Amino acid sequence: DAGITQSPRYKITETGRQVTLMCHQTWSHSYMFWYRQDLGHGLRLIYYSAAADITDKGEVPDGYVVSRSKTENFPLTLESATRSQTSVYFCASSELWQPISYEQYFGPGTRLTVT
Amino acid sequence: SQQGEEDPQALSIQEGENATMNCSYKTSINNLQWYRQNSGRGLVHLILIRSNEREKHSGRLRVTLDTSKKSSSLLITASRAADTASYFCATPTLGAQKLVFGQGTRLTINP
Repeated sequence: DAGITQSPRYKITETGRQVTLMCHQTWSHSYMFWYRQDLGHGLRLIYYSAAADITDKGEVPDGYVVSRSKTENFPLTLESATRSQTSVYFCASSELWQPISYEQYFGPGTRLTVT
Repeated sequence: SQQGEEDPQALSIQEGENATMNCSYKTSINNLQWYRQNSGRGLVHLILIRSNEREKHSGRLRVTLDTSKKSSSLLITASRAADTASYFCATPTLGAQKLVFGQGTRLTINP
């Protein structure tokens, strides 16, 4: 199906483990984003990417790693998960040719619990 | 830091009534966007208003923008139970294709 998908939708992991959240979009959008959503903080940008092999830090990048070898995929890795990284993670994408609108399209989210 | 701040944080009204949510922001913008998030789902883009526009309509949605006050409002008319959701305003960071989201208004429509 066309759109933006995330996997897994739910994940429970232990402190110190590495975990990778996947994001895939079928629109060939240039820009992709990772957010975390926590009560009291709204959505906070973790990392974003302007194109394949181009990534940049957002507001809360510490403890996370991203890569973008293909336009359609933008995985987010927690190198050594901590309880403070328990959150709901959203991936989003936007088209490059709308530079003055920046409308973003969101995936369904991944609920991550770190025990 | 948050660019957009929504007010109120929570709003509960009866079905059929109008719902108004407000957003204030800090820096100059070229557009402001509103998104809806249903429980357990991702955000969905509702409407975008450009800095040279003062009001915009889309179905039962009416958005206003006052750049002198750095504020926007979202009005949902004739509310329905399906409008129950959280609503976020978002503003782009100048010079970069990033959005900064407020913390949202949680709207509950009571039958």
